[in-house]
Amino acid sequence: EAGVVQSPRYKIIEKKQPVAFWCNPISGHNTLYWYLQNLGQGPELLIRYENEEAVDDSQLPKDRFSAERLKGVDSTLKIQPAELGDSAVYLCASSSPSGSQTGELFFGEGSRLTVL
Amino acid sequence: LAKTTQPISMDSYEGQEVNITCSHNNIATNDYITWYQQFPSQGPRFIIQGYKTKVTNEVASLFIPADRKSSTLSLPRVSLSDTAVYYCLVRRRDDKIIFGKGTRLHILP
Repeated sequence: EAGVVQSPRYKIIEKKQPVAFWCNPISGHNTLYWYLQNLGQGPELLIRYENEEAVDDSQLPKDRFSAERLKGVDSTLKIQPAELGDSAVYLCASSSPSGSQTGELFFGEGSRLTVL
Repeated sequence: LAKTTQPISMDSYEGQEVNITCSHNNIATNDYITWYQQFPSQGPRFIIQGYKTKVTNEVASLFIPADRKSSTLSLPRVSLSDTAVYYCLVRRRDDKIIFGKGTRLHILP
């Protein structure tokens, strides 16, 4: 069974440019998460979806970050415009209904963003 | 959400048993204790979860004393490939999953 797939794995852009990350969760997982991880820190939750509904986006910087999960499957996280401080790894995770209860999330390998 | 405290880093040698202790003094009755493992350049991976006493799976054991104010993740006979960051999380079953800084475990040959 395929795991959580993210792309691109690496992205280098100049500041003020836009960037987008894509995530395909595990089949059948209705909950999808985007986390941000800075070097040496634990992942920080940006947004959580239940199917196509964003149920927790309180930590998403909405002035420059946006996310969508239009059909309740794939998701895209966008940053526009990017700032130097956005350099980090962006992790996508998914969970089944039972997994959301137990806290068992399945993470992708992440997308490493470098803003120059 | 209960705050957790765990060592910033630990070193051990191949073949030894490693115990990582996490303190969570203000754990609530409905909170569960969950541990994740993260290898370099990968996302975190769920290892084990428990509520009380002892839980064991193919990867690790989790020991939780009666007062539940701490927990210990035990990795038997570690190898170099166990070098990773280990995160202790405490949460209610329907609550958001928040990671701390974790414990950086370095296994030496």
